Amino acid sequence: DTAVSQTPKYLVTQMGNDKSIKCEQNLGHDTMYWYKQDSKKFLKIMFSYNNKELIINETVPNRFSPKSPDKAHLNLHINSLELGDSAVYFCASSRGTSGGARYEQYFGPGTRLTVT
Amino acid sequence: GESVGLHLPTLSVQEGDNSIINCAYSNSASDYFIWYKQESGKGPQFIIDIRSNMDKRQGQRVTVLLNKTVKHLSLQIAATQPGDSAVYFCAERGAGSYQLTFGKGTKLSVIP
Repeated sequence: DTAVSQTPKYLVTQMGNDKSIKCEQNLGHDTMYWYKQDSKKFLKIMFSYNNKELIINETVPNRFSPKSPDKAHLNLHINSLELGDSAVYFCASSRGTSGGARYEQYFGPGTRLTVT
Repeated sequence: GESVGLHLPTLSVQEGDNSIINCAYSNSASDYFIWYKQESGKGPQFIIDIRSNMDKRQGQRVTVLLNKTVKHLSLQIAATQPGDSAVYFCAERGAGSYQLTFGKGTKLSVIP
């Protein structure tokens, strides 16, 4: 009954490679997110995707591209991986602006990406 | 841009004592605040939330206090248990937005 799932949980790859992380939510939420958590535990929003509208954080390099085949999935593709991309990436979802009262985000278990 | 921050990066408490984790925010337009708990190797987990039209909200063993005058948020955990050991994040939502801005996190260590 996992609400937000991500695959893989661990990803080790070499610089220059292209990789994808997959995310699925079964909560019926309209909005999904990708966060990057650095070694100091700081959580930074990368993207949010609400009802087919993609909102891009301007500080994210264009090597990162989110892809949403449907409302329940938001995948993250990364081109030409760099050492600085090493981090834990979290997917999350929420009801977005519909319903009004609650805006809590539900997080996946994270994907630890290590670039060597 | 405006950000959410924490006064204490680490906090050690004795099992059974009460814990207080503080958070300062700078966006006076924020209208919704959340506390998350992140255990090692896991994603952040929702604990409790509060809207800006409230100054206190209680859950099971947890209480969130909001002081809009000084833009301060706190999480109180009663009778802290070893299972409470984790990193705690506060997050704010700007009015009209559904995106959250997270603070830097406080690591809570419970001493048995």
